[in-house]
Amino acid sequence: RKEVEQDPGPFNVPEGATVAFNCTYSNSASQSFFWYRQDCRKEPKLLMSVYSSGNEDGRFTAQLNRASQYISLLIRDSKLSDSATYLCVLRSGGYNKLIFGAGTRLAVHP
Amino acid sequence: EAGVTQFPSHSVIEKGQTVTLRCDPISGHDNLYWYRRVMGKEIKFLLHFVKESKQDESGMPNNRFLAERTGGTYSTLKVQPAELEDSGVYFCASSQDTGSAYEQYFGPGTRLTVT
Repeated sequence: RKEVEQDPGPFNVPEGATVAFNCTYSNSASQSFFWYRQDCRKEPKLLMSVYSSGNEDGRFTAQLNRASQYISLLIRDSKLSDSATYLCVLRSGGYNKLIFGAGTRLAVHP
Repeated sequence: EAGVTQFPSHSVIEKGQTVTLRCDPISGHDNLYWYRRVMGKEIKFLLHFVKESKQDESGMPNNRFLAERTGGTYSTLKVQPAELEDSGVYFCASSQDTGSAYEQYFGPGTRLTVT
């Protein structure tokens, strides 16, 4: 079983739509959680960290449910520039390596 | 401030040959990481340097891979001899310190093709 599971998509949505991505993880010792964004043939870039209380950054909202080992990302008012692959990433306690999901592809169309 | 740089951006070699990838971290970042993404799979951790020391090399696939960071500045990752399954994108990342408060900044990657 993969450590981080994501729906690969693609999610095809019109501009202005709200879209949600989910991610589950298997290691309950995981301590830190992140959403990264990766554009085609580019490097991953940190979008936001995910906190237990949930956190928001503009149009983006991330939530963590430790009991269910589940992370989500909500994007409101989608823009064409949001088209990318969204990577669910975690870091286990005591280690500094990042563990990546395979990513969910989002395509926003006019 | 310059980001993480990697060289070369692309490399095409034949099976059995040797390739050396280079990573220059952000200046002042003691922590340097190597990751790779093989076709159709997720990005996976290879190893972590703190300055010139290997902190964690649990992700190195086998002894055909050798990573070095002499002097604690840039790092090289040598693959010798290369096999077909080594094809993929090799990313380097660096961070100022360890812990979730310190973002790992990724370089643009080296796309390796072994034929």
